[in-house]
Amino acid sequence: GAGVSQSPRYKVAKRGQDVALRCDPISGHVSLFWYQQALGQGPEFLTYFQNEAQLDKSGLPSDRFFAERPEGSVSTLKIQRTQQEDSAVYLCASSIGGDEQFFGPGTRLTVL
Amino acid sequence: QKEVEQDPGPLSVPEGAIVSLNCTYSNSAFQYFMWYRQYSRKGPELLMYTYSSGNKEDGRFTAQVDKSSKYISLFIRDSQPSDSATYLCATNNAGNMLTFGGGTRLMVKP
Repeated sequence: GAGVSQSPRYKVAKRGQDVALRCDPISGHVSLFWYQQALGQGPEFLTYFQNEAQLDKSGLPSDRFFAERPEGSVSTLKIQRTQQEDSAVYLCASSIGGDEQFFGPGTRLTVL
Repeated sequence: QKEVEQDPGPLSVPEGAIVSLNCTYSNSAFQYFMWYRQYSRKGPELLMYTYSSGNKEDGRFTAQVDKSSKYISLFIRDSQPSDSATYLCATNNAGNMLTFGGGTRLMVKP
């Protein structure tokens, strides 16, 4: 496809469950970013990949959050033992060089 | 204090009005400035991207950056109901994470 795609679009999890969120970046985009957007707030940075290398994970809120991009294309954000405060929209963005970032539609996670 | 501050609104204007949206930032290392538009339940869409101080125009949209006062503006001329959305300003310092403002919700009434 032409843009960044994310799946699932909506995810409901019970507290304590593990979830995996997928991002398919624009073909050829080297850089990939994950952001978390709470209701009524701007997106906040979680982590950044250049190809398969995770260059910055300073925004991950706890060690329950883990991201990977093993082949330098598709990325997965995993959250273990989900908590209610993890409820948010998780946005993925890709970029050729990192400056102009193009976002996917997001995955809305609700933890009950 | 957040690194990028933005009035949350909501800002309500009549159709055809000129809209002014503003952000301030605190980190002088920021070099690149963007405006994103986000419709409800959608991802942010890049509207404007600029590097230097001054104005950049694209159709009905003008982005303005004043690095000396750390002030970013977006002007929308002849606003339309379809412009109703949340507008997010964002900055970064060369190829890395974006730092966003909290977003301003705009409503353009027919």
